[in-house]
Amino acid sequence: NAGVTQTPKFRVLKTGQSMTLLCAQDMNHEYMYWYRQDPGMGLRLIHYSVGEGTTAKGEVPDGYNVSRLKKQNFLLGLESAAPSQTSVYFCASSLITLTGNTEAFFGQGTRLTVV
Amino acid sequence: SQQGEEDPQALSIQEGENATMNCSYKTSINNLQWYRQNSGRGLVHLILIRSNEREKHSGRLRVTLDTSKKSSSLLITASRAADTASYFCATDWSTGGFKTIFGAGTRLFVKA
Repeated sequence: NAGVTQTPKFRVLKTGQSMTLLCAQDMNHEYMYWYRQDPGMGLRLIHYSVGEGTTAKGEVPDGYNVSRLKKQNFLLGLESAAPSQTSVYFCASSLITLTGNTEAFFGQGTRLTVV
Repeated sequence: SQQGEEDPQALSIQEGENATMNCSYKTSINNLQWYRQNSGRGLVHLILIRSNEREKHSGRLRVTLDTSKKSSSLLITASRAADTASYFCATDWSTGGFKTIFGAGTRLFVKA
């Protein structure tokens, strides 16, 4: 099993450029998440999805858009990149049960630099 | 502000000593999880404790949960240099639908 796969692993963008980060999971998980992690900080939730065709805002959604057209894929888009979006981005997925979330499985991260 | 907050922010100990990290959270939860992150890598799940549990063990890990104080602790016994990593707590924040929210983490350094 591949688990959670993120592409690309590294990217450098110029201010104002757009890009899409792809996250794919093969565990049939309902929940998928996009987080960003800045130096010395924890993971902040950008957007998440509770199932195919659904998305919701997290803690820091501004400047990002997401789509979940297929259950296994969760895309994160930056329409007009800004230096403040320089960060490491992590995708994760998890199951949801009647007793709450189960463990989240993480991708290896995408290091994005906006110059 | 984040749902969970860990303390201390950083911890440095000698190999063989025990390491204790604490997590406090703000709203009611169904479960609390601890994760580990090695430098530059994704997070790896360590242990999950449900709101109706008070203590849980997994190998050298011991987790406690006090829902009245909205706090949890992670104890790593007989630490090893390989335990050097950042440790995060995460809760399933129920406001607006369940989602996993992380704290800022504790950076643990175990000296050989």
